[in-house]
Amino acid sequence: SYGVTQPPSISVAPGETATMTCAGNNIGAKNVHWYQQKSGRAPVLAIFYDTDRPSGIPERFSGSNSGNTATLTISRVEAGDEAEYYCQVWDSSSGHVIFGGGTNLTVL
Amino acid sequence: QVQLVESGGGVVQPGKSLTISCEASGFKFTTYGMHWVRQAPGGGLEWVALISHDGRNVLYADSVKGRFTISTDNSRNRLYLQMNSLRAEDTAVYYCVRDRGTYQMLYYFGEWGQGTLVRVSS
Repeated sequence: SYGVTQPPSISVAPGETATMTCAGNNIGAKNVHWYQQKSGRAPVLAIFYDTDRPSGIPERFSGSNSGNTATLTISRVEAGDEAEYYCQVWDSSSGHVIFGGGTNLTVL
Repeated sequence: QVQLVESGGGVVQPGKSLTISCEASGFKFTTYGMHWVRQAPGGGLEWVALISHDGRNVLYADSVKGRFTISTDNSRNRLYLQMNSLRAEDTAVYYCVRDRGTYQMLYYFGEWGQGTLVRVSS
């Protein structure tokens, strides 16, 4: 069945840009959604349909998706962005929702 | 506002059964598909099951197919997950989650409950 891979962790200094990837076979043909999960809390939708931001998510959050990689980018990173970030797709061939393993963002 | 409140978690022995539920409020329950998503301690998110708004479409993760049953009671605005033949690896926080689509599944997630912990242990 379809799988997506995320790097386990990244570290970024405040004010810098955090780039998190989600790799999958021809993932560019799928819709990718991203969730932010802070410690002890339920996940929150951060980006949907590759590039769209729900209301309440800062403009510093953006997404892209092409080829075999989808990307979540957080510009001007703040301490409050520290969280686990999960990508998610729908695999219609298997009828399964697929999550990546998550990337832990540490703000130095 | 949309609220999803799970209940029914606890400690259960391997091989036994448990049913957890989710009470929905703040929206028209019969117009949205619903999901269960779980998270093992210290682990990532794992989708468990979905049910369409009309109950006609039900799907399960391979890890729970044949053991778990998702259902709704529209008269009580409740979502259920009946879990049979529980295993240690089913230990997780179980989240009740609303699909983002109205009258159709979009297969991604809007509102989440706070989760209920199920621990399978002897």
